[in-house]
Amino acid sequence: DAKTTQPPSMDCAEGRAANLPCNHSTISGNEYVYWYRQIHSQGPQYIIHGLKNNETNEMASLIITEDRKSSTLILPHATLRDTAVYYCIVRPYYSGNTPLVFGKGTRLSVIA
Amino acid sequence: EAGVTQFPSHSVIEKGQTVTLRCDPISGHDNLYWYRRVMGKEIKFLLHFVKESKQDESGMPNNRFLAERTGGTYSTLKVQPAELEDSGVYFCASSQTRLAGTYQETQYFGPGTRLLVL
Repeated sequence: DAKTTQPPSMDCAEGRAANLPCNHSTISGNEYVYWYRQIHSQGPQYIIHGLKNNETNEMASLIITEDRKSSTLILPHATLRDTAVYYCIVRPYYSGNTPLVFGKGTRLSVIA
Repeated sequence: EAGVTQFPSHSVIEKGQTVTLRCDPISGHDNLYWYRRVMGKEIKFLLHFVKESKQDESGMPNNRFLAERTGGTYSTLKVQPAELEDSGVYFCASSQTRLAGTYQETQYFGPGTRLLVL
């Protein structure tokens, strides 16, 4: 079972920042937080991951609280193409090549 | 570089028939995973190949499902005989083997095969 809790849906105005929360209160010290998204009719797509420090790449930023019990994925300037289901996934850092455990995710709708 | 490809994109069959799904991973990726999403449910893991060997098949629902990866390249997932509850989207993903001293693994997904069993 997924070890994360996410709101089922969110709306965001185009051009604004989308902030997607994730609760992982039972996370262990050796577990990373990964984010994937699934755009309609496509397969899931990796976005970003982090352990305890904030991370940023060309797609998004990941903010992890100091106690690591929650995190926020930030899409700084959401576009219509960012409309998707976003999944927050916790994975052991030593696991390497193991399956992903998907929860229900958050359905983000970016509105023009 | 080509991504993960899956064939067919859609399949409609009758209950009791056989269907074979194919996945071509990214070249050089030793790890190949099968997942599926049935209607209204989360995406669930089915099995994991490392090259041609089954590393983990704990998610396979029953013996009507048979996965192969001969030669460690493409993989097939056969459902025989298909049942109504097998309807859903079947995803394939591939990844490189984790290097010693690194922990990050990115799985690259194909577009999925949409299976409808009538």
